[in-house]
Order: sequence, then structure tokens, then C-alpha cells
Amino acid sequence: NAGVTQTPKFQVLKTGQSMTLQCAQDMNHNSMYWYRQDPGMGLRLIYYSASEGTTDKGEVPNGYNVSRLNKREFSLRLESAAPSQTSVYFCASSSSGGRTDTQYFGPGTRLTVL
Amino acid sequence: SQQGEEDPQALSIQEGENATMNCSYKTSINNLQWYRQNSGRGLVHLILIRSNEREKHSGRLRVTLDTSKKSSSLLITASRAADTASYFCATSQTSGSRLTFGEGTQLTVNP
Repeated sequence: NAGVTQTPKFQVLKTGQSMTLQCAQDMNHNSMYWYRQDPGMGLRLIYYSASEGTTDKGEVPNGYNVSRLNKREFSLRLESAAPSQTSVYFCASSSSGGRTDTQYFGPGTRLTVL
Repeated sequence: SQQGEEDPQALSIQEGENATMNCSYKTSINNLQWYRQNSGRGLVHLILIRSNEREKHSGRLRVTLDTSKKSSSLLITASRAADTASYFCATSQTSGSRLTFGEGTQLTVNP
């Protein structure tokens, strides 16, 4: 049981480049999330997917797009990277709909935009 | 904006001492959770307390919730160097809804 996996672990981009962050979970969870974490700011929700086939904006969606490819996979795309998107990105999943909202996190992707 | 705010922002103690971290939130909640993040890692769930509960224990962790004051505290007893991490509270306003995280408390336990 790998839990939540993310690729890549590190990435350096130049301003204007695009990239896709991949996330997969093997816990049969319905809900998946993308967060960014900046120093001293905790986690901020970018997008989430309550179930396969649905996606919704979170707190800071501008500059990002997502795809819920299937129940296991949820990708985050930066179409035209900007220095303000330098951050650590975390994917998480949960079995939402039950009595618990516990989220399980991946190890993160450290992104630097020059 | 962040729903939860942790206090203090940073805490440094000696091994064996107790560590107390506080979280305040603004709107009514369904449950409140605490997570730990070791340096360079993802968050790990520690404990969940529901709005109708006042206290919960898990090993060396004790969580309290005061809904009238919209606050929660996390107590780690007999701390160890391995407890060094950032601790975040997160609130859920309805069952199954997304979580809102606070900014975290950085705990350092000195050997």
C-alpha cells in the first residue's frame, strides 16, 4: 500500500513554461485535493475533486488547472508558470462522505519558478 | 483566509516536558483535526475531535475542544526529540467537506 504518491519530487521551471504534477492514491478514496504550502502560511487549497468526474476551485485556483483522470489519479497543471507559483505542492485524498474527513498526504513536490 | 490560527507560532522545550499548542477558529465546525508535518515531508493525521466531544486522547496526545470559545488545544506529554515537527489544526464545517488549515506551530524538542 503506497498511499498517496506524487511525481516529480523536485522541479525547476522558467517563467512561462508549463508542467503537470501527478498524484495517485491506492486507498480507493473518493476525494482528492491539491494544496500549496508557502513559508509561514500553512496549506492553501488550490483545487479539489469530491468524486471521480468532478472538480471544484479552492482558495487559490488562479494559474492552475486540474484533471481527475480516474478514481486513482488527480493531476495539477501549470499552463504558464510564474515566480509566484514557487511553492511546495501537496496532494491529499480522503474517503469523504463517511464519518471522518481525515486526509492522507503525499510527500510533496518542490517547485521553483525562475 | 485561514479558518484556524495556531498559537504559539513556535515553541521550544526540553525532552520530557509537555508541549501545549492552541488553535482558534472563526466559524462553527463539524470536527477539528490535528496534523503533524516533519521537515520536508507531507502531513500526517494525528487525531480528530468532533464538535460534540470535549476531550480526546491518543497515546501521549490529548486534544480538547471548546466550541463556545471556538478553540482547541493539543497537549503532547513527555515530549521526545522525535516530536520535533510542525503541528497544524484543520477544521471541517460539515461532514465530508473540505478542510481549512491553520498556519501551524513549529515545535522543537531539545534532547
